[in-house]
Amino acid sequence: GQNIDQPTEMTATEGAIVQINCTYQTSGFNGLFWYQQHAGEAPTFLSYNVLDGLEEKGRFSSFLSRSKGYSYLLLKELQMKDSASYLCAVRDSNYQLIWGAGTKLIIKP
Amino acid sequence: IAGITQAPTSQILAAGRRMTLRCTQDMRHNAMYWYRQDLGLGLRLIHYSNTAGTTGKGEVPDGYSVSRANTDDFPLTLASAVPSQTSVYFCASSDRGDAGELFFGEGSRLTVL
Repeated sequence: GQNIDQPTEMTATEGAIVQINCTYQTSGFNGLFWYQQHAGEAPTFLSYNVLDGLEEKGRFSSFLSRSKGYSYLLLKELQMKDSASYLCAVRDSNYQLIWGAGTKLIIKP
Repeated sequence: IAGITQAPTSQILAAGRRMTLRCTQDMRHNAMYWYRQDLGLGLRLIHYSNTAGTTGKGEVPDGYSVSRANTDDFPLTLASAVPSQTSVYFCASSDRGDAGELFFGEGSRLTVL
C-alpha cells in the first residue's frame, strides 16, 4: 500500500531551527509537496520538490531524496506564527496526491 | 480576494438527511477536488473533476456524489448522511488536472448525529 509517515507532533523554541521529516512509500513518484495548515484553517502551499536536493524559499527550505523516499522541511528563525500543522503529500504515478497525517509544530517562547 | 468559497462553514444534521456542500471558485481553474480531513488521518480524496463536465472517484467516494456543470461550481452531496461522515470537508482547485499546487477553501465542518 501507499504510505506517508511524518511525526505527529514537534516542539521548538522561538528563533530556533526545526526539521520536519517525511518518509514515503508510493506507487511511483511525481513530486512532493509541503503545505502549512493553521488550526481551523485551510492548508496553504509551501513548497514543491521533484528533483533531489534542497529548495530554499526564505525561512523555509525543503529537501528531497528520491532514492531514500525521504524529504524534510526546514524552518529557520522560528516565529510564533509558525505554530501550525505541516502536511507532506506525494504525487503518485497516477498523479493522485497521497497525504501524510501532518506534523503539529508547537513553538514556545 | 475570493479564490474558493465553501458553504456552509458549519452544519449539524440528523442521520438520514440529505446535504449538499457548496464550492465555488473564481480562478477559472480546470481541476477541482473534495477532501475530507479527520483527526489523525491525512486528507482523503472523495471525488475530483479535471474539467467541467467530467468527474472521477477518489479514495473514499461511497455515500457521496458530485457534479461539475460549469468551471466554477463543484457541489458535494451526501444523499443520506451517516455519523461516519462527520468530518471537515475541504474543496480545492488547481489550474492543472495533474494535482499541481492546490488552492483550498476554508472548509465545511459537518456533524452528523
